[in-house]
Amino acid sequence: GAVVSQHPSRVICKSGTSVKIECRSLDFQATTMFWYRQFPKQSLMLMATSNEGSKATYEQGVEKDKFLINHASLTLSTLTVTSAHPEDSSFYICSARPETGGNTEAFFGQGTRLTVV
Amino acid sequence: GDSVTQMEGPVTLSEEAFLTINCTYTATGYPSLFWYVQYPGEGLQLLLKATKADDKGSNKGFEATYRKETTSFHLEKGSVQVSDSAVYFCALGYNFNKFYFGSGTKLNVKP
Repeated sequence: GAVVSQHPSRVICKSGTSVKIECRSLDFQATTMFWYRQFPKQSLMLMATSNEGSKATYEQGVEKDKFLINHASLTLSTLTVTSAHPEDSSFYICSARPETGGNTEAFFGQGTRLTVV
Repeated sequence: GDSVTQMEGPVTLSEEAFLTINCTYTATGYPSLFWYVQYPGEGLQLLLKATKADDKGSNKGFEATYRKETTSFHLEKGSVQVSDSAVYFCALGYNFNKFYFGSGTKLNVKP
């Protein structure tokens, strides 16, 4: 099946620094990708919808200036956590759906475990 | 709004035991229901889905039935294997776009 690759799988950073997470669709094109976040023992929550060539759409309560999303091509979306703080420590995962029309399956990356110290 | 609640884990079973992971949902529209599985170090993989009430999704011996009257989509398997050890996520979604996930249930199957 289709593959979505997410990098890095784990990252530890210092408070105040920025971290970039990449999400790539390896064998299909995706106009739209999605970014989710999961805090311990909680649900995966949609953070934002990443749109190729335009601004991302953020869910209520998600700070767009803190979580910068860039979807520069049909196969790559990036999430940058700016000025990271320990409360940003979480599991981040992306998904993408092939642009083949119809009700096609969504594919997920393996996720990124971010720890801010 | 839309939401999904699934049983907390971890669930620990012996090989060949019967598995049930409960999942209930709240929906504003008419979503499809899904079970995703995540093996260590891998992305979420679609395990099965059901698109409307009374549909049964099945795959790899796992089954779940879309029950509108009880707003449930419980995952079952008659005989689990060690290789089924993973984290299972129940979800609802509209046209495979925006998903609402449960918190995940970790399954440990012992030989």
